Amino acid sequence: AQSVAQPEDQVNVAEGNPLTVKCTYSVSGNPYLFWYVQYPNRGLQFLLKYITGDNLVKGSYGFEAEFNKSQTSFHLKKPSALVSDSALYFCAVKTEGGATNKLIFGTGTLLAVQP
Amino acid sequence: DAGVIQSPRHEVTEMGQEVTLRCKPISGHNSLFWYRQTMMRGLELLIYFNNNVPIDDSGMPEDRFSAKMPNASFSTLKIQPSEPRDSAVYFCASREYGYTFGSGTRLTVV
Repeated sequence: AQSVAQPEDQVNVAEGNPLTVKCTYSVSGNPYLFWYVQYPNRGLQFLLKYITGDNLVKGSYGFEAEFNKSQTSFHLKKPSALVSDSALYFCAVKTEGGATNKLIFGTGTLLAVQP
Repeated sequence: DAGVIQSPRHEVTEMGQEVTLRCKPISGHNSLFWYRQTMMRGLELLIYFNNNVPIDDSGMPEDRFSAKMPNASFSTLKIQPSEPRDSAVYFCASREYGYTFGSGTRLTVV
C-alpha cells in the first residue's frame, strides 16, 4: 500500500533563512508526488508536483522540491523563508496508472517562520 | 472559474441528526474526492468518483456515511445519524490533470 511520512510535526525557521520540510514515501511502482499548502480556515492549495524528468521541481511562491529515488524522499525547500510562508504543508503521493486514482496525504508539517 | 464550491462552510448539529454536505466540482473535471481532516488522523480519503461512478469507498468509516454523485456537477456526503466523533473539516476535491480542493465544511456535532 502506498504511504507518505512527514517526520516533523513542526518546523521553525527565522525569516530569510532557508527552509526544508521533509517527506518520504512508500509505493509500488513509479510515484507521482505532490506538495500542498493549507492556510488557516482554507482548503489545500497546490504548490508543485513531480511526475517524471528533472529531479528538482520548481513550484509556486519560490518553493522547490527534490525527488530522490534512492532515499524515497521528496523534501520541500525554499532558499529564503518569509513570515507569510507560515502554514501547514502536506506531502502526497499517487501511483502511476492502474485503477487507483487516490491521492494519499502525509500528516502535515506546520511551518512557523519567525520575523 | 469559481473553483470547487462546498456548502455549507460551517455546520453545527446535534448528535443523531442527519447532515448533508454539498460539493460542486470544477466543470470538466472527471474525478471527485471527499476527504476528512482531523487533528488525530490528518487528511483521510473517504471516497472518490470517476465520471460520477463511485470507484473506491474503502475510506468511508461506517454505514452512517454515504456519498452520491447524481451528475457531473454535484455531489453530496451524508451522515445519518451524526455523532460527536464525526466533527471534522470535510473537503471536496475535483481532478482533471491536477487536484483542486474546495474550502471545506467545518462540521461540529454536539
